[in-house]
Amino acid sequence: EIVLTQSPGTLSLSPGERATLSCRASQSVSSSYLAWYQQKPGQAPRLLIYGASSRATGIPDRFSGSGSGTDFTLTISRLEPEDFAVYYCQQYGSFGTFGQGTKVEIK
Amino acid sequence: EVQLVQSGAEVKKPGESLRISCKGSGYSFTSYWISWVRQMPGKGLEWMGRIDPSDSYTNYSPSFQGHVTISADKSISTAYLQWSSLKASDTAMYYCARHRMGGDPTLIFDYWGQGTLVTVSS
Repeated sequence: EIVLTQSPGTLSLSPGERATLSCRASQSVSSSYLAWYQQKPGQAPRLLIYGASSRATGIPDRFSGSGSGTDFTLTISRLEPEDFAVYYCQQYGSFGTFGQGTKVEIK
Repeated sequence: EVQLVQSGAEVKKPGESLRISCKGSGYSFTSYWISWVRQMPGKGLEWMGRIDPSDSYTNYSPSFQGHVTISADKSISTAYLQWSSLKASDTAMYYCARHRMGGDPTLIFDYWGQGTLVTVSS
């Protein structure tokens, strides 16, 4: 089973700042089968990125994904108030496993 | 508009059985796989298993194989997750989610239900 480790656990930033979230896999993720989801309290997750770097429908271009192999990154170029949430990475090349999440909180 | 509407919260005792549901609308239900995802209180997401509603073919995460059953009734565009004997450790929020590409079992989820909270307590 591929284990995904996200860092940091919590990111404290101000609106307008840049957020960089990391996701590291215990083994190579085939074909960049890596997705990112956002989850706000009391809500279901929302797909942001798939294929490591493709934005899902309706996702603003301030969200971008990059990486390959075992190291992946989600970048939010300028944080908006609605972006403060928990973010999960997910590999879907071998069944589907999620990272433990990174909370982006208001500083 | 694509929607997945799940059944309401449940409170059960250990050993009881339960089936929760997920009704799809606004799209061709038989054209898209459905998965179930668990989120234990204050924890992350865990993929449980998936079903192709067109023929009810299923497969499960090794972590959940034998503990739950996923099924679907395409005549009413509804998928189900069921337990035959609940445990306290089954207490969690359960989400159904539609796979992004029609006919594709790849585990990318573009639409999610609102979640069903299952509480198991004596």
